[in-house]
Amino acid sequence: DAMVIQNPRYQVTQFGKPVTLSCSQTLNHNVMYWYQQKSSQAPKLLFHYYDKDFNNEADTPDNFQSRRPNTSFCFLDIRSPGLGDAAMYLCATSRDGQRVTEAFFGQGTRLTVV
Amino acid sequence: GQNIDQPTEMTATEGAIVQINCTYQTSGFNGLFWYQQHAGEAPTFLSYNVLDGLEEKGRFSSFLSRSKGYSYLLLKELQMKDSASYLCAVVDSNYQLIWGAGTKLIIKP
Repeated sequence: DAMVIQNPRYQVTQFGKPVTLSCSQTLNHNVMYWYQQKSSQAPKLLFHYYDKDFNNEADTPDNFQSRRPNTSFCFLDIRSPGLGDAAMYLCATSRDGQRVTEAFFGQGTRLTVV
Repeated sequence: GQNIDQPTEMTATEGAIVQINCTYQTSGFNGLFWYQQHAGEAPTFLSYNVLDGLEEKGRFSSFLSRSKGYSYLLLKELQMKDSASYLCAVVDSNYQLIWGAGTKLIIKP
């Protein structure tokens, strides 16, 4: 059974048109992450939540925003997608950001910008 | 800066053994993960090493040398389904995951 679920798997959006990607988890993990991964590159951390505490990476563009209304759900909002934002977006969770625990990933959302 | 190095691509034959190396330079060290990622899919956990030595799990083993900043993933009895990218990730002193770009492993019959 899927424990970290991302919707949709594939998303096509128009240049400049806001888009929201969603992630839900049934693991009750404290920490949720959003990564951007382009082809043959390492996943790039955009931001993460430790419970409701939001942590933005220094080089995450302002174009990217996130919301975590409760433990189970987290959203990635791209306010004005550009062609360079086409990528796989991965949501992940872990039990505790203060200790080392493995991260569980969702299936990812592949975003295409046209 | 923080850096993880892995070969970009490797090729091996079905039934053989392959070793994928990872070297790292990070601010602190709280362990090293190996993940498998099939094309177009999310990474899945393979192994975690925090102490020096070899951890064996079925056909997969992972080795760590902290003094050398070095790890390898050893895959035995290769199967076609092992064709994937293998990502090395180090947990730094702030408990942040620093990812390598991954090694694409191609298995040939």
